Amino acid sequence: QKEVEQDPGPLSVPEGAIVSLNCTYSNSAFQYFMWYRQYSRKGPELLMYTYSSGNKEDGRFTAQVDKSSKYISLFIRDSQPSDSATYLCAMPRDTGRRALTFGSGTRLQVQP
Amino acid sequence: GAGVSQSPSNKVTEKGKDVELRCDPISGHTALYWYRQSLGQGLEFLIYFQGNSAPDKSGLPSDRFSAERTGGSVSTLTIQRTQQEDSAVYLCASSWRLAGGTGELFFGEGSRLTVL
Repeated sequence: QKEVEQDPGPLSVPEGAIVSLNCTYSNSAFQYFMWYRQYSRKGPELLMYTYSSGNKEDGRFTAQVDKSSKYISLFIRDSQPSDSATYLCAMPRDTGRRALTFGSGTRLQVQP
Repeated sequence: GAGVSQSPSNKVTEKGKDVELRCDPISGHTALYWYRQSLGQGLEFLIYFQGNSAPDKSGLPSDRFSAERTGGSVSTLTIQRTQQEDSAVYLCASSWRLAGGTGELFFGEGSRLTVL
């Protein structure tokens, strides 16, 4: 079993839709959770991070962590064509928190 | 620019040849990472450098892969006797705080390696 599982998509939605992106993980010791966004032919960039359980909101983006289910989600409200990218969840590789383990990424296409 | 710089952006080589990929991190960032991204795959951790500490090489897939970081700045990833399965985008990232905490990884645009 991979440490971090993510549906690869692609996910295609109309502009304005609410998008839900999800990851599951196996290591219950994980405390920090990140979402990175990667545009085509570019390096990933940090979108949001959360610590432990609960929700965190930043504009149209909400990150949610359910540690009891080992499940994290990223919600995008009022999706825009500019949101079309691959979204990768990430968690620390180990307790030292020095490097990250990434999910395989979900490719999102927002249709105008 | 002030971002992470990688070269070459594209490299085509023949099976069995050696290749070197270069990364110039953001000035002042003490941590440097190499990741590999194969088609349709997530990012696979390769190696991590932090200051003068011994690097974490636990992600290197074979002894054909090696990396060094000179003067705490520029890093070179070397792949010897390349194989077709080495074809991927090699991404370098740097950070100044723990990536697994509130630190952020800043990635370059990657070096796309194709082994024929």
